[in-house]
Amino acid sequence: GQQLNQSPQSMFIQEGEDVSMNCTSSSIFNTWLWYKQDPGEGPVLLIALYKAGELTSNGRLTAQFGITRKDSFLNISASIPSDVGIYFCAATRNQGGKLIFGQGTELSVKP
Amino acid sequence: EAQVTQNPRYLITVTGKKLTVTCSQNMNHEYMSWYRQDPGLGLRQIYYSMNVEVTDKGDVPEGYKVSRKEKRNFPLILESPSPNQTSLYFCASSGTDWGETQYFGPGTRLLVL
Repeated sequence: GQQLNQSPQSMFIQEGEDVSMNCTSSSIFNTWLWYKQDPGEGPVLLIALYKAGELTSNGRLTAQFGITRKDSFLNISASIPSDVGIYFCAATRNQGGKLIFGQGTELSVKP
Repeated sequence: EAQVTQNPRYLITVTGKKLTVTCSQNMNHEYMSWYRQDPGLGLRQIYYSMNVEVTDKGDVPEGYKVSRKEKRNFPLILESPSPNQTSLYFCASSGTDWGETQYFGPGTRLLVL
């Protein structure tokens, strides 16, 4: 099936550092989403992107929808311990259609 | 309280024994979806539904069935479970599309022996 390649798979950073992760695909998508999953919980939507080139922020999080429609990235600035978790990108061609997820980036933050 | 509930939360079964995992939401959402989560593979969509009696295959539908007879319920059926269906399963719902906040259930951990 279709795939989203998410990198890096894991990151170990110091509190206060900035973080960047990205998702790429060989297919074009019309909506890109970023989720965070805490241990033992379901994912929670962080940011939704609908237009190529769109840059959207949510607090310390910033995400961009790539111009080619085949990629997206997420930045977290000034990381804090509660940023720990697994971050997933997801994408769909139709806003209500099949939704594809990346493999996840596991973030660890050292105080 | 807005929520998605799944039952059971944990299930151990044997190969071939039919099982159903229930999912219910109280937000009058149109969209519902089932995912499985496996280490290193992220979440993979099994089936989704855009409204009552409207369902479609996700990325990994083989071995699963769903039904959407009522808006609030979206059960996942494994007619003949196999060990490769051992996984963590999540049900989710959202108002009109995936770009809206998608509420996830607490997960069902299934082990097929």
